[in-house]
Amino acid sequence: AQSVTQLGSHVSVSEGALVLLRCNYSSSVPPYLFWYVQYPNQGLQLLLKYTSAATLVKGINGFEAEFKKSETSFHLTKPSAHMSDAAEYFCAVGNQGGKLIFGQGTELSVKP
Amino acid sequence: DSGVTQTPKHLITATGQRVTLRCSPRSGDLSVYWYQQSLDQGLQFLIQYYNGEERAKGNILERFSAQQFPDLHSELNLSSLELGDSALYFCASSRKAAGTDGYTFGSGTRLTVV
Repeated sequence: AQSVTQLGSHVSVSEGALVLLRCNYSSSVPPYLFWYVQYPNQGLQLLLKYTSAATLVKGINGFEAEFKKSETSFHLTKPSAHMSDAAEYFCAVGNQGGKLIFGQGTELSVKP
Repeated sequence: DSGVTQTPKHLITATGQRVTLRCSPRSGDLSVYWYQQSLDQGLQFLIQYYNGEERAKGNILERFSAQQFPDLHSELNLSSLELGDSALYFCASSRKAAGTDGYTFGSGTRLTVV
C-alpha cells in the first residue's frame, strides 16, 4: 500500500523567504510523485511530477522538488516566496496500478 | 481553464434528497476520477472509471454511485443525502488508467446539504 505524509498542516513564511513544504511517502514499488497547488475556490493544479527521470524536478512558478529515495522524501521548495504563493499544497503518490493517493495538504501563508 | 468541466459549480439541497454531479474530462482523456474534499477528511478518493468501465473503488458510500458514458463524460449520483455529505466534489481526468502522469482537475462542485 502507498501513503503520503505531509509534515505541517500550516506553514507561514515572510515574503522573499525560502519556502519548504515537507512530504514523505511510503511505497513498496517505485513511486511516481506529484505536487499540486489549490488556490481558494479552485481545483487542484499540477505543480510538478517525479517519474524517475531525474531526482531534482522543476515545476511551474519557480517551485522544485527533490526525490530522495533513502529518506523516502519529496520536499517542495522555492527560494523566494511571493504573496501569490499563498495556497494549499498537496503531495501525492501514484504507481502503475492506478489512482493517486494524496496527503492531507499544507496551507502556506505568506506574510508581507 | 483546465479542460475538465464540472457542473453545477454549487448545489444546495435538503437532507434525504438525491443529486447528480456531472464531469466532462479533458479531450483525449479516458480515465475519470472522483474525489471528495472536506475539512476533516481531506481529499478522499471515491471511484475511477477508465473508458466506460469501473477501474478502482475507494471510500465511496453505498448511497453514492457513478458511471462513465460512451462519450466519456461521467456522473456521480449521491442519494439519501446527509449533512455530512456537504463537501467539495472534484472530478479529475487522465489519458491512462495508471497513476503515473498525474491528473487534470476540474474546479469542483460545492455541495451543501441543509
